[in-house]
Amino acid sequence: AQSVSQHNHHVILSEAASLELGCNYSYGGTVNLFWYVQYPGQHLQLLLKYFSGDPLVKGIKGFEAEFIKSKFSFNLRKPSVQWSDTAEYFCAVTLYNTDKLIFGTGTRLQVFP
Amino acid sequence: DSGVTQTPKHLITATGQRVTLRCSPRSGDLSVYWYQQSLDQGLQFLIQYYNGEERAKGNILERFSAQQFPDLHSELNLSSLELGDSALYFCASSKRTGNTGELFFGEGSRLTVL
Repeated sequence: AQSVSQHNHHVILSEAASLELGCNYSYGGTVNLFWYVQYPGQHLQLLLKYFSGDPLVKGIKGFEAEFIKSKFSFNLRKPSVQWSDTAEYFCAVTLYNTDKLIFGTGTRLQVFP
Repeated sequence: DSGVTQTPKHLITATGQRVTLRCSPRSGDLSVYWYQQSLDQGLQFLIQYYNGEERAKGNILERFSAQQFPDLHSELNLSSLELGDSALYFCASSKRTGNTGELFFGEGSRLTVL
């Protein structure tokens, strides 16, 4: 069955540190890939998405993700985090042209000033 | 504000009871999705409706059912509630199917079963 793994459950960083959150998926076919973010007390919102083309995708707030097909990975990165990036981050995947968005278990990021 | 409205925001009920969660999608969105978020299982896809018809089904229990009405709002019915049904239930909407666009999530309905 299709699944998404996020290996980091809880990440604690100081401001200005670099961030990389891991995401791996299990499916051999064409997929669409997403990162969603949930700030404290707010709804889930889209951070970035990959459908095709350049495997390095840039999203909002300075985030980017790289799709590596051979590794079934879609890791999220940010060169320098801010306190306001404190949130829960979810990787998600759908099979191409389907509606079932499968989420990973999420990574809680805490950034301290 | 995502434009997706969910009611109620909080609900406390007893085991064996039945509840209904309501979702109003963003204006113009035809697809509605329901997700369950619990501490031990993360975000689980339950079911999706598109323009009134069931489109995709996930890990939805038989005790749960959903529908989408002609005005496109959706309801998730949870019956014979168990303690393990305590969770945050999210609704999301999108314009179309095929998930070629993003989903817009509501703020969730937190269900506590005592």
